[in-house]
Amino acid sequence: AQKVTQAQTEISVVEKEDVTLDCVYETRDTTYYLFWYKQPPSGELVFLIRRNSFDEQNEISGRYSWNFQKSTSSFNFTITASQVVDSAVYFCALIENNTGKLIFGQGTTLQVKP
Amino acid sequence: DAGVTQSPTHLIKTRGQQVTLRCSPKSGHDTVSWYQQALGQGPQFIFQYYEEEERQRGNFPDRFSGHQFPNYSSELNVNALLLGDSALYLCASSQGLTGVAGELFFGEGSRLTVL
Repeated sequence: AQKVTQAQTEISVVEKEDVTLDCVYETRDTTYYLFWYKQPPSGELVFLIRRNSFDEQNEISGRYSWNFQKSTSSFNFTITASQVVDSAVYFCALIENNTGKLIFGQGTTLQVKP
Repeated sequence: DAGVTQSPTHLIKTRGQQVTLRCSPKSGHDTVSWYQQALGQGPQFIFQYYEEEERQRGNFPDRFSGHQFPNYSSELNVNALLLGDSALYLCASSQGLTGVAGELFFGEGSRLTVL
């Protein structure tokens, strides 16, 4: 079965701390895509990154970085020097091949305090 | 370039009533998917429309139905509302059934409260 697990329900940090959000996935597909989305209080899911299963290179975008490890089926997300504006719910997701259906984890609520 | 737009943003219904939610996809997109997000949960796939037909369906009862119009906009209908239908309903659009490598664009959602 295809499944995404985000074990951390809530994380609270103080501004400027680094924080890592964990994501573990299960899939029977040999080729797949993984995603991270941010959901601010407005409700809209904001796309952050898409990672192809063939590309295990870590990616960095400003203060955001992603560590994809196929061997442990993990796709973790790190925010460096967190800011209050980073406070949101973050979802990790896996796309089901040939359907375009996204399978989401439960989400991690990140609170960054000033 | 308008993104995905949904209406209404909030609505309150009572048990047994029916509701219709609307979605206009991002310009250039022809596929619309609907997701239900209960409080504190991740979004759950309801169904997907492409070329005015339902192409994929998640584990939702027949009370949930939809439609896609020739201009690619879509409606989600829920009949005989239950308290458990209270949720944020998200619409996502893409190009083609799997999008461009699966990239979906989401609207801000319609928050339904059933009393």
